[in-house]
Amino acid sequence: QLRQSGPGLVRPSETLSLTCDISGDSVSSNTAAWSWIRQSPSRGPEWLGRTFYRSKWYDDYAVSVKGRITISPDTSKNQFSLQLNSVTPEDTAVYFCARQGVGDTLYTFDVWGQGTAVTVSS
Amino acid sequence: EIVLTQSPGTLSLSPGEGASLSCRASQYVASSSLAWYQQKPGQAPRLLISATSIRAAGIPDRFRGSGSGTGFTLTISRLEPEDFAVYYCQQYGYSPLYSFGQGTRVEI
Repeated sequence: QLRQSGPGLVRPSETLSLTCDISGDSVSSNTAAWSWIRQSPSRGPEWLGRTFYRSKWYDDYAVSVKGRITISPDTSKNQFSLQLNSVTPEDTAVYFCARQGVGDTLYTFDVWGQGTAVTVSS
Repeated sequence: EIVLTQSPGTLSLSPGEGASLSCRASQYVASSSLAWYQQKPGQAPRLLISATSIRAAGIPDRFRGSGSGTGFTLTISRLEPEDFAVYYCQQYGYSPLYSFGQGTRVEI
C-alpha cells in the first residue's frame, strides 16, 4: 500500500514536495521500482521519474522535467519523495506515487497512492 | 518520442454490450511492454492488463487484451455498470521511459 502526503498549494517559482509512505514492501527492494506520475485535468497520466535499488541506488527522470526534479528514497522511514523545483501553473495536476510491478506485472504500475491534487498559484 | 494514440475518444454503450478499444503506437512496442488501466473519477488508475494480454489479479475474464507491434486492443465483453470509466494504454521502454495514451472514455 502507498500513502501520499504533502501540500495541495504551491506558489509559482517555489518547490513542490510530496512524500509516499510504503507499507507491505520495501523501498530498498531489489525487484520493485518507485515512481511519481502526474495527471493534468482531462489528460492521460505523465510519468515523471523513478528510484530503485539494485545493489546501489538509481534514478531515471522524464526529459520534460529533468533538471527540476529529484526523487529520493528514505530507507529509515520506508518512503520516497518528490521534489519539483521552480514550479509554474503548468505543474498543476494530481500527483500519484506508484510501484513498478514484478514478474507478470513488470513494466507496469500495479500499486498506486491515493493521489494529491496540487495547484500552483499565488 | 513514442506516442500512443487511443481511439475512439468516447464510446457510448449500454450495459451488456461489448466494447473494443484501440491503442496505436508511433513505434514498435514489445508485447511484454504494453499495459491497460481503468480509471474512475477521483481514483488512481487500476492495472487491468500487463504484457498485452495478462489480466492482473482480480480482473474478471470479460477483459481481454490482444495485439502486437504497433496495434493493441482492449476488449470488454458484456459491459457491467462498474465498467463505465476511462481506459488508458501504457508502454515501457522508449523516451519517456513510460508513456500513456490520452484515454478512451466508455460511457452509458
